[in-house]
Amino acid sequence: ILNVEQSPQSLHVQEGDSTNFTCSFPSSNFYALHWYRWETAKSPEALFVMTLNGDEKKKGRISATLNTKEGYSYLYIKGSQPEDSATYLCAFAEIGSSNTGKLIFGQGTTLQVKP
Amino acid sequence: NAGVTQTPKFQVLKTGQSMTLQCAQDMNHEYMSWYRQDPGMGLRLIHYSVGAGITDQGEVPNGYNVSRSTTEDFPLRLLSAAPSQTSVYFCASSYLRGEQYFGPGTRLTVT
Repeated sequence: ILNVEQSPQSLHVQEGDSTNFTCSFPSSNFYALHWYRWETAKSPEALFVMTLNGDEKKKGRISATLNTKEGYSYLYIKGSQPEDSATYLCAFAEIGSSNTGKLIFGQGTTLQVKP
Repeated sequence: NAGVTQTPKFQVLKTGQSMTLQCAQDMNHEYMSWYRQDPGMGLRLIHYSVGAGITDQGEVPNGYNVSRSTTEDFPLRLLSAAPSQTSVYFCASSYLRGEQYFGPGTRLTVT
């Protein structure tokens, strides 16, 4: 069974703080790593899909890095705002899943940003 | 473009009853999947499909059946509901190598 671990499980920060979370995944048979943002009472929405070792992606104040050799990805939020409060999920796709689309999700990191 | 739609939004069942959760997408995605979301467990894959006529099991398939007769639709059937199936169910679709698009979810309670 493939294991995708996210840490921390939850995080409380003040508005304006920068923060980061970790996603650990198997370093063998890597195909892709996804990040999703999941607001309460809504559905998960994709932030990034990363496939290359060393990849860095950015969307506004949110960015992500990828290290496939050691099996981790970081998600950074610069200058957190209350509207960033959500659960952030990462999901791993192994090499065989390029023909299936199958993802294995981590348990998520729940971020609460206090005004 | 409606994206991924799911019905119903809420459902209460008695133990032993059967029902079908509906999922449809209008983006011509090959891949469709069903997840359940339980507190502290994240999203767990129940079943998935890579195209019409092709389905496969995920991590937690027991007690659920699926079929994919068209590209657009991917219903999830609960054969004999049990309290352990109380959960929030999400359907998702994607191109095979792309990001997944999620439906709004179905909150199911089995008493």
